[in-house]
Amino acid sequence: QVQLQESGPGLVRPSETLSLTCSVSGGSTTDNYWSWIRQPPGKTLEWIGYVHSTGYTRYNPSFKSRPTMSIDTPTGLLTLRLTSVTAADTAVYYCAKGRQSDWLPMDSWGQGTLVAVSS
Amino acid sequence: DILMTQSPSTLSASVGDRVIITCRASQDITTYLAWYQQKPGKAPKLLIYRASSLESGVPSRFSGSGSGTDFTLTISSLQPDDFATYYCQQYNSYSASFGPGTTLQIK
Repeated sequence: QVQLQESGPGLVRPSETLSLTCSVSGGSTTDNYWSWIRQPPGKTLEWIGYVHSTGYTRYNPSFKSRPTMSIDTPTGLLTLRLTSVTAADTAVYYCAKGRQSDWLPMDSWGQGTLVAVSS
Repeated sequence: DILMTQSPSTLSASVGDRVIITCRASQDITTYLAWYQQKPGKAPKLLIYRASSLESGVPSRFSGSGSGTDFTLTISSLQPDDFATYYCQQYNSYSASFGPGTTLQIK
């Protein structure tokens, strides 16, 4: 059973770039889709996008051009960068694996990491 | 964008009850719908995919149905562990979106 663990700064200043990593263990990152999802406090979930093990990416258009995702397959490390953050980007951020070889739904999730955007 | 709605937003029920949660998509998503369960402070857990397929390890009291725009999640006999928030998610389009959630509370 693959395990995922997010990490990153708990606080980011407005207008700066949020950077998170997700470490994948217990399985290969090959031939899978890896998504980032966030959940503002008390609100529903929001899919940000995915990165495939080949490096191909797809992003939720609602994020405009702000997110960038990457994957280092040998080390099993995923990265999310989100530029020009505002208070509206305050949320718990999750990384998750697509079920089997599909991009969705997600069948394995990290525990999530809370990121607050504040000066 | 495909918008997802759920009803009810909150549901009070007792152990042993049969409950039904409804999810509606703003346009046809065929059967590209999943259901997740989330408990406070925890990540979501996949229950159902492709509208009616039960994820491995999920109890058989959970079932899903529907196609097109209207879907349901049924819990045949509520157990204490089932009190949580449930989200539907569509993945038919270029992007994916979640419903607002249904919180299942103990009556």
